[in-house]
Amino acid sequence: EVQLVESGGGLVQPGESLRLSCAASGFMFSSFWMSWVRQAPGKGPEWVANIKEDGSEEYYVDSVKGRFTIFRDNANNLLYLQMNSLRVDDTAMYYCARDPNTVPYYWGQGTLVTVAS
Amino acid sequence: DVVMTQSPLSLPVTLGQPASISCRSSQSLVYSDGNTYLNWFQQRPGQSPRRLIYKVSKRDSGVPDRFSGTGSGTDFTLKISRVEAEDVGVYYCMESIHWPTFGQGTKVEIK
Repeated sequence: EVQLVESGGGLVQPGESLRLSCAASGFMFSSFWMSWVRQAPGKGPEWVANIKEDGSEEYYVDSVKGRFTIFRDNANNLLYLQMNSLRVDDTAMYYCARDPNTVPYYWGQGTLVTVAS
Repeated sequence: DVVMTQSPLSLPVTLGQPASISCRSSQSLVYSDGNTYLNWFQQRPGQSPRRLIYKVSKRDSGVPDRFSGTGSGTDFTLKISRVEAEDVGVYYCMESIHWPTFGQGTKVEIK
């Protein structure tokens, strides 16, 4: 059974950092692009970052460039999102997801990040 | 940047009746491989989004055949042939040829 299990969310103050993790199982993790997607309360999803199978390429939505870093550990089937200089508008549920152009498609249950003073 | 525009944003439907959601992209979603990368997602209340349709019209495993996707180029439609109670939620179109971008969402509710 394929699983994507996110962790690491929590309540932080503006300017602080968090590292999210996603543990993948049930598929060949190192063979797929992986992504982080977020959804602010009451809003639609927003793609945050993508990383290539071997970690050699990364892409980010403009609003997080220079603050967030996506990286992966293929030996342990883990995906990460390092989030620095967090802002109130980064508050969202953060989901780990596989390349959207794959079949079947997998998306985790999410970890909640709340940025508030 | 590609903009995905859905209509309507709210869709009250009667159980057993059909429903239709439109999605328009600001750029063509046809890739050089000949495929069109338009997806439809369902998000039930309190749940994560779930993909229903990929490449315009292909249903993901386990998706009931009352869901169908049509369209080409920049104009796409998701149809539910007979709405059931479990179909309540928000539906999003999403393009995955450029930077993955979602539409605003269409809230489907039972009248």
